[in-house]
Amino acid sequence: EVVLTQSPATLSLSPGERATLSCRASQSVSGFLAWYQHKPGQAPRLLIYDAANRATGIPARFSGRGSGTDYTLTISGLETEDFAVYYCQQRGHWPPTFGPGTKVDFK
Amino acid sequence: QVTLKESGPALVKPSQTLTLTCTLSGFSLNTTQMRVSWIRQPPGKALEWLARIDWDDDKFYSPSLTTRLTISKDTFKNQVVLTMTNMDPVDTGTYYCVRTMGFKYSSWFDAWGQGTLVTVSS
Repeated sequence: EVVLTQSPATLSLSPGERATLSCRASQSVSGFLAWYQHKPGQAPRLLIYDAANRATGIPARFSGRGSGTDYTLTISGLETEDFAVYYCQQRGHWPPTFGPGTKVDFK
Repeated sequence: QVTLKESGPALVKPSQTLTLTCTLSGFSLNTTQMRVSWIRQPPGKALEWLARIDWDDDKFYSPSLTTRLTISKDTFKNQVVLTMTNMDPVDTGTYYCVRTMGFKYSSWFDAWGQGTLVTVSS
């Protein structure tokens, strides 16, 4: 199965700063990569699917890009509600797999 | 509004069978192209996809757990049920019911339940 690696494990930033999260796949997933946000005690939320498409209701400050094995989630101007754990997930190969997550916390 | 709600035991003993129920609201597995998966997360570890059932009763399982899992649906009750046999302490974690988008061998997850914590301990 495809292994996803996320970096960094923790990103310490202040509100208003730009967050750049990376996800690397062990083989090409052909752009079929999604990003999720997860806050403690809440259901995970789909942010981005197919590398660059924002899900319904997701603010424009969240953007995704990438191809092949390397993908990036950018949050341009962190809001306090954005401090959470972010997971990537691939659907380019069966079964679907997830990365270990990047925690975005307060500096 | 699409919601999914998991229910089941919080504690199971090793070797027992776990049965989890997911109640769907705002959509139906009677509808073409609707799919529901179960995903779990052990404490401090990554999310792991377990199983999926589709509107046409097609079923898919994690290759590493296929012998222990059964997924089914009750369209009248709008519920999805997951059973996992021979539970072990390593199966401890939060289990999520998730509406699933995509195609036969390609899935992403657009609506999640809150999850239910299952602890396996004697």
